[in-house]
Amino acid sequence: DGGITQSPKYLFRKEGQNVTLSCEQNLNHDAMYWYRQDPGQGLRLIYYSQIVNDFQKGDIAEGYSVSREKKESFPLTVTSAQKNPTAFYLCASSRGNEQFFGPGTRLTVL
Amino acid sequence: KNQVEQSPQSLIILEGKNCTLQCNYTVSPFSNLRWYKQDTGRGPVSLTIMTFSENTKSNGRYTATLDADTKQSSLHITASQLSDSASYICVVSARLAGNNRKLIWGLGTSLAVNP
Repeated sequence: DGGITQSPKYLFRKEGQNVTLSCEQNLNHDAMYWYRQDPGQGLRLIYYSQIVNDFQKGDIAEGYSVSREKKESFPLTVTSAQKNPTAFYLCASSRGNEQFFGPGTRLTVL
Repeated sequence: KNQVEQSPQSLIILEGKNCTLQCNYTVSPFSNLRWYKQDTGRGPVSLTIMTFSENTKSNGRYTATLDADTKQSSLHITASQLSDSASYICVVSARLAGNNRKLIWGLGTSLAVNP
């Protein structure tokens, strides 16, 4: 998992509640990413950040928000506007062409 | 449309046997192709990254090949071990304007190595 931590590993929330997933890296990478993984689908990009205080929407940003106040941290908030939030969420950082992934957070909305 | 297709969807082999996983892509313009290994409930781990000019790349018992003309790649696993049981994902990077890249992810091949 190479210096990227995500917490918690499992998260349960009631429908309608916002929830924030943590992602921290000590690799000194500028770029960080959030992906969502669902059964039968490839990884889908939610948001990415190339540098502190800047981030861009990915392919499925609706219902999500992020911040990048520090180089090491890129938290993801799943809002109540996200229609289907139950999924496995993966954070990554990159150096050059290579991406390094965290262990993931499995979010279940009841 | 940029797409990455992997086959087979799943595979069961006996420990010690070899196997080959396939990846066909229609991504253009091509930047590079990556193979990842993902254990159940964990994040993907990079096995190899191949650029246009590379035909073969090895990482221990894993050997990836790339044919940029036919837009095909394969991942060969030699002398499989129980710990090779995982999903193997092919990812192709498309070159965009400026220095930007877009990753197109395959669905993966689920490999089970049985004793």
